[in-house]
Amino acid sequence: GQQVMQIPQYQHVQEGEDFTTYCNSSTTLSNIQWYKQRPGGHPVFLIQLVKSGEVKKQKRLTFQFGEAKKNSSLHITATQTTDVGTYFCAGGPTSGGSYIPTFGRGTSLIVHP
Amino acid sequence: DAGITQSPRHKVTETGTPVTLRCHQTENHRYMYWYRQDPGHGLRLIHYSYGVKDTDKGEVSDGYSVSRSKTEDFLLTLESATSSQTSVYFCAISESGASTDTQYFGPGTRLTVL
Repeated sequence: GQQVMQIPQYQHVQEGEDFTTYCNSSTTLSNIQWYKQRPGGHPVFLIQLVKSGEVKKQKRLTFQFGEAKKNSSLHITATQTTDVGTYFCAGGPTSGGSYIPTFGRGTSLIVHP
Repeated sequence: DAGITQSPRHKVTETGTPVTLRCHQTENHRYMYWYRQDPGHGLRLIHYSYGVKDTDKGEVSDGYSVSRSKTEDFLLTLESATSSQTSVYFCAISESGASTDTQYFGPGTRLTVL
């Protein structure tokens, strides 16, 4: 079945440093979504990418979808303590029918002040 | 936040006892999902529902059953709880199951099986 790999599992940064997490799929994806989970909280939707090569920005966050629609990345510029949490990607298959996303294992971001 | 509640929020139980977790939504979304979250494993799908009385298995369904008798409620049952089922359980909903649907998550239930 479809697998979505996410690296790294953990990332420690000093406040102000940049951060990137990568998501790779074994199969072509129809779209990819990114979620953030604060410590003790629940995953919250951040953004969705659908088109090959698509790039979207949300303030200091930049999301990219690869040309082959098999990989994606989330880059945070100048991290802040409010960025702490676990970031998940979730990708769906290209076949039709119901969309059952496959979640990556997440990258936990720890920001040191 | 979407109108999703989970009950109970915390539960401690003993091995071998039955446990039922409830997810309730006020959004009238068609799809509902149960996930478990464990350190190092991310979110793993247990079961999902695509309508009243319509359910299907996810990747980690062994030891779990589900029921959906009303659009708004999705129950997860552990018939005989084991220590390996100690986890945080999240319910999620999506509007139509389309590939572009957002999943909205409930607050989670922390289950400890002693």
